[in-house]
Amino acid sequence: AQKITQTQPGMFVQEKEAVTLDCTYDTSDPSYGLFWYKQPSSGEMIFLIYQGSYDQQNATEGRYSLNFQKARKSANLVISASQLGDSAMYFCAMSATGTASKLTFGTGTRLQVTL
Amino acid sequence: DAGVIQSPRHEVTEMGQEVTLRCKPISGHNSLFWYRQTMMRGLELLIYFNNNVPIDDSGMPEDRFSAKMPNASFSTLKIQPSEPRDSAVYFCASTLSGGANQPQHFGDGTRLSIL
Repeated sequence: AQKITQTQPGMFVQEKEAVTLDCTYDTSDPSYGLFWYKQPSSGEMIFLIYQGSYDQQNATEGRYSLNFQKARKSANLVISASQLGDSAMYFCAMSATGTASKLTFGTGTRLQVTL
Repeated sequence: DAGVIQSPRHEVTEMGQEVTLRCKPISGHNSLFWYRQTMMRGLELLIYFNNNVPIDDSGMPEDRFSAKMPNASFSTLKIQPSEPRDSAVYFCASTLSGGANQPQHFGDGTRLSIL
């Protein structure tokens, strides 16, 4: 069985600073994918970034990067130069090959960007 | 490109009434997922389809819930009879299955309130 753990229920960061949102996972599958989603107060779920278990380099998408440490089973999201619009819930999720891309989600971290 | 389209966006109805939620996945996607999100339980996978066939409905709470996917471009989630504890946001998501690296793309959700 797969499990995602997000231990930070809430985080604060000042505008223009970088912030790291933690995610650890547990799986026995050799091949898997890790995803981050953003859910603003308006409610929609927005896909941010993906990391494959065999990828050699950490994924980056604009101001988002994924700090993937396979041996530690962690996939932390790093947001650089935070903006007020980054205030939202952030969910870490994982999938495994052969499961029709079924995702297991963590409980989320609420990020608040302050002036 | 059109994303996942859900309707209605909001639904308020009285206990005991039948509720039907609708979803149109992204064209070309062959996997479709129904989720329920509440404060208490977070994001729960209810059921998912691959090539219009239900693969895993273990998350469906009880017999009052049913889901269908008559074709590749349409799915419904029905609750009959509805109860106040069914109040939640219901998301539909779709993806192109075949590996662990495909993100799910979510609709904007249906906010359901059962009085």
